[in-house]
Amino acid sequence: QSALTQPASVSGSPGQSITISCTGTSSDVGGYNYVSWSQQHPGKAPKLMIYDVSNRPSGVSNRFSGSKSGNTASLTISGLQAEDEAEYYCSSFTSSSTLVVFGGGTKLTVL
Amino acid sequence: QVQLVQSGAEVKKPGSSVKVSCEASGGTLNTYAISWVRQAPGQGLEWMGGIIPIFGTPNYAQKFQARVTITADISTSTAYMELSSLRSEDTAVYYCAKAVTSNRYYYYAMDVWGQGTTVTVSS
Repeated sequence: QSALTQPASVSGSPGQSITISCTGTSSDVGGYNYVSWSQQHPGKAPKLMIYDVSNRPSGVSNRFSGSKSGNTASLTISGLQAEDEAEYYCSSFTSSSTLVVFGGGTKLTVL
Repeated sequence: QVQLVQSGAEVKKPGSSVKVSCEASGGTLNTYAISWVRQAPGQGLEWMGGIIPIFGTPNYAQKFQARVTITADISTSTAYMELSSLRSEDTAVYYCAKAVTSNRYYYYAMDVWGQGTTVTVSS
């Protein structure tokens, strides 16, 4: 069981917007603005899409945005495109000695 | 932009150890927080630990504390992860990844990943 809770799957049609949630505790998501989102296509290494809750690394489309409320962080993808179909993972700094926790991943299907 | 190049696939017997390397190409990894993350077949990502090479002291996830050793050689800009007492459940792809900064709070924000090293544990 992962430390952070994500829905197993979400889906949307091209052009639509979807949101993926990531729920933790006050020891991780809720306690710090240190949340990231990564995209992983099958057989590939993950790619960082968002860090510090809402910052996009250089080169990441502005269709990807992040936010946080309490112990839940969210990733929103607007204007869905076929290439957005992938697994998405949230991660967070945690005050435990483990330092980093991941969500279990969310499979995004573009219909 | 620095790239991370990992060593090749390994097949190991239960009870043995494996050591995976991660070398920086086109730059240095010495001034970043470097993480090791694994992914079992069909499963999610799991943080094992990390190191900031210029500081040298590793950090380990509690689950792996007793079996993993993470080191770095700043002269060759290479990080290493050694996992001992291997069992079948350790069969996975092992990734190294650099964080956006050298701050230990930022292990979670991994912006450059290695290509992954498949470790298979089988008798």
